[in-house]
Amino acid sequence: SQKIEQNSEALNIQEGKTATLTCNYTNYSPAYLQWYRQDPGRGPVFLLLIRENEKEKRKERLKVTFDTTLKQSLFHITASQPADSATYLCAPADRGSTLGRLYFGRGTQLTVWP
Amino acid sequence: ETGVTQTPRHLVMGMTNKKSLKCEQHLGHNAMYWYKQSAKKPLELMFVYNFKEQTENNSVPSRFSPECPNSSHLFLHLHTLQPEDSALYLCASSQNSGVRSYNEQFFGPGTRLTVL
Repeated sequence: SQKIEQNSEALNIQEGKTATLTCNYTNYSPAYLQWYRQDPGRGPVFLLLIRENEKEKRKERLKVTFDTTLKQSLFHITASQPADSATYLCAPADRGSTLGRLYFGRGTQLTVWP
Repeated sequence: ETGVTQTPRHLVMGMTNKKSLKCEQHLGHNAMYWYKQSAKKPLELMFVYNFKEQTENNSVPSRFSPECPNSSHLFLHLHTLQPEDSALYLCASSQNSGVRSYNEQFFGPGTRLTVL
């Protein structure tokens, strides 16, 4: 069965540094991968999507990479701010699903301290 | 706000009760989803509806019964639940346009369910 691992449950960094979150997947080959942010008591919010033929995608201070050989995606937040503190979820998509069925990782809780 | 609303936000029920969760999306999407989120576990997909038709049921126990009367509304009817069913139940919607839909999903705030 499909398995998604996000590097750690929690990551603590100082404001201004770059946060790097890792997502590894096994037992399937997603056509694309999404990253979501979830704040306490709220539903996940979509951040970025990267397709299998794209190596890198950027949006403002966010950068995502997708290495289909390593079966890994990296999510970077540059110049991190306390407001970036949240749980970040990796969601590779099921290639065989016309509805783009997503499998979610457990998430990494990021804390950015001043 | 994401355009997806859920009611109630919190629900406490006994194991013999019957209750329903409601989800409404104001985005004009054609697909809706129910997810379960338990502590320390990944989001688990429960049901998928596409154009009001159920297209996926991930081996969910029959004590959970979904209903999708139209493409904007989704219900989850609950009866004789167990304490281990306590979790955050999230509704989501997306616009699926065909064979390969790179669809981002829009989530509601969730219903925090506690089963006593």
